Amino acid sequence: NAGVTQTPKFQVLKTGQSMTLQCAQDMNHNSMYWYRQDPGMGLRLIYYSASEGTTDKGEVPNGYNVSRLNKREFSLRLESAAPSQTSVYFCASSESGTGAHEQYFGPGTRLTVT
Amino acid sequence: QKEVEQNSGPLSVPEGAIASLNCTYSDRGSQSFFWYRQYSGKSPELIMFIYSNGDKEDGRFTAQLNKASQYVSLLIRDSQPSDSATYLCAVNGNQFYFGTGTSLTVIP
Repeated sequence: NAGVTQTPKFQVLKTGQSMTLQCAQDMNHNSMYWYRQDPGMGLRLIYYSASEGTTDKGEVPNGYNVSRLNKREFSLRLESAAPSQTSVYFCASSESGTGAHEQYFGPGTRLTVT
Repeated sequence: QKEVEQNSGPLSVPEGAIASLNCTYSDRGSQSFFWYRQYSGKSPELIMFIYSNGDKEDGRFTAQLNKASQYVSLLIRDSQPSDSATYLCAVNGNQFYFGTGTSLTVIP
């Protein structure tokens, strides 16, 4: 099992460009998450999907959109990238979002916006 | 007030010592508590979870939970240089919240 996979691993964008970060999990998990991690700020939740067909905003959703394509895949889109979106992005999944279950993380995407 | 607070460190301990990492949380309704380890440039990996008051041991790691004080801690016994990493506390209340992490260095 690959667990949680993310593409791309690295990306450099110019201000105003758009891109989609891809995430897939092969653990048959119901819930999936997108986080960003910045120095001194810890992991902050951008969006999550408690189950296929549902998505909800997290702590820092502005400037992002998500799509839960199917049970396996959850993508994050930056429509018009800004330097403030320079960060490391992690996708995670869990069996459910109802409390008891731990999250498993992908390897991350390092995004730089110039 | 942040949902989950951790001392950012850095915390330095000599090899073989006990490292003590602490975390407080604000949501009294939180039910599940997790400790993740993150090596530099890598993704977080789960090392312990605890749901009930008291201690839970797994090898060299012990998680301690006190819901009345809204406090959770992680003890690492016989610390090794390979334990040098950032340790993230996570709490599941109405959402999953992470602390900013405590950087631990184990000195050989």
